[in-house]
Amino acid sequence: QVQLQESGPGLVKPSQTLSLTCNVSGGSISSGSHYWTWIRQPAGKGLEWIGQTFASGSTNYNPSVESRVTISVDTSKNQLSLKLSSVTAADSAVYYCARGWIHLPPYGLDIWGQGTTVTVSS
Amino acid sequence: EIVLTQSPATLSLSPGERATLSCRASQTVYSGLVWYQQKPGQAPRLLIYDASNRATGIPARFSGSGSGTDFTLTIGSLEPEDFAVYYCQQRSNWPRTFGQGTKVEIK
Repeated sequence: QVQLQESGPGLVKPSQTLSLTCNVSGGSISSGSHYWTWIRQPAGKGLEWIGQTFASGSTNYNPSVESRVTISVDTSKNQLSLKLSSVTAADSAVYYCARGWIHLPPYGLDIWGQGTTVTVSS
Repeated sequence: EIVLTQSPATLSLSPGERATLSCRASQTVYSGLVWYQQKPGQAPRLLIYDASNRATGIPARFSGSGSGTDFTLTIGSLEPEDFAVYYCQQRSNWPRTFGQGTKVEIK
């Protein structure tokens, strides 16, 4: 059973870079069958799609953060990473990683991490 | 980007009642509409994909319908564990977008 686990600093200072990792267990992040996504949720608010990547390295980002974000895969560690630069308080949220299927159903995010809370504050 | 508008924002119902949730897209997403359920303190859970297909393990009381710009999630008879927030998401265009959510609360 594939499981995802996010980790990273819970507190980041304004203007710094937020760095999170998502450890994939029970399966390979190199699988050509899946894509890997980051989504965030500010406290008490809805879900925001940040971006996604494939094991090949191909990425798609939300224009709202595209100039500041990098999503990548480390196949040697079986990890997904998120880097978001020049953070402000508006980037404070619970950050989730999630897995989707490329060519087979279900065509949605079927496995999610439990989320990690990031607060941007000095 | 495609804007998804969910209605109502809150639905107050009793266990056993039928819930009907709406998701309207600002432009066509064809059948590329997904529904998730989120309970407090938990990650979202995939319910329905491609507008009408239940994900593995999802009870038959959950059903989805629609295509183009208008979609509906129906919960046939609410169980206590169904009281949660429901989000729709489109996967037809970049960036992927979510609706703002509908909270189904106990009346």
